[in-house]
Amino acid sequence: KQEVTQIPAALSVPEGENLVLNCSFTDSAIYNLQWFRQDPGKGLTSLLLIQSSQREQTSGRLNASLDKSSGRSTLYIAASQPGDSATYLCAVTDSWGKLQFGAGTQVVVTP
Amino acid sequence: DGGITQSPKYLFRKEGQNVTLSCEQNLNHDAMYWYRQDPGQGLRLIYYSQIVNDFQKGDIAEGYSVSREKKESFPLTVTSAQKNPTAFYLCASSRPPTVDGNTIYFGEGSWLTVV
Repeated sequence: KQEVTQIPAALSVPEGENLVLNCSFTDSAIYNLQWFRQDPGKGLTSLLLIQSSQREQTSGRLNASLDKSSGRSTLYIAASQPGDSATYLCAVTDSWGKLQFGAGTQVVVTP
Repeated sequence: DGGITQSPKYLFRKEGQNVTLSCEQNLNHDAMYWYRQDPGQGLRLIYYSQIVNDFQKGDIAEGYSVSREKKESFPLTVTSAQKNPTAFYLCASSRPPTVDGNTIYFGEGSWLTVV
């Protein structure tokens, strides 16, 4: 059974620092990997989707890498801002479209 | 605007009651999903549907039921058999995974509390 782990569970950084969030998965037979943002009491917003054949995706200050063979993905957020404070979740997709989520990393960016 | 609408936002259930959470999407997506989120935990899949009139159990389907009579709608019923239903429920939809870039979209969620 696929297991997705996110480390650390919580992270606090001062504004301006770069954020590095880690995601690992046990079964490399994935269709894609997605990173999501969740604000308290809200639904999830997709940030980046990396297909299994890709190595990375970039959107603005966000960059996500994927190493399928080692079962790892990393989300980098450059020059963090207080508005980046949220919980970030990663999820891997199997060929049926089912997602397996990690428990998330709660990020606090202090002014 | 295209999106997923969940209602109600907050729902209280008495012991022994069945309650139904609504999920409607106007994104023309074939696939729809229901997830449950408990505090400090990731999302767990309850049920999913790849096409109208068909649905499959997820990892924690016991005590829940769904229907998919229309492409746009995927309601979730929390039955009295679900012993610990207090949680945050999220509905989602996507295109089939064989289509490039099948980003999954989520609704705003529904909070269910047992009183």
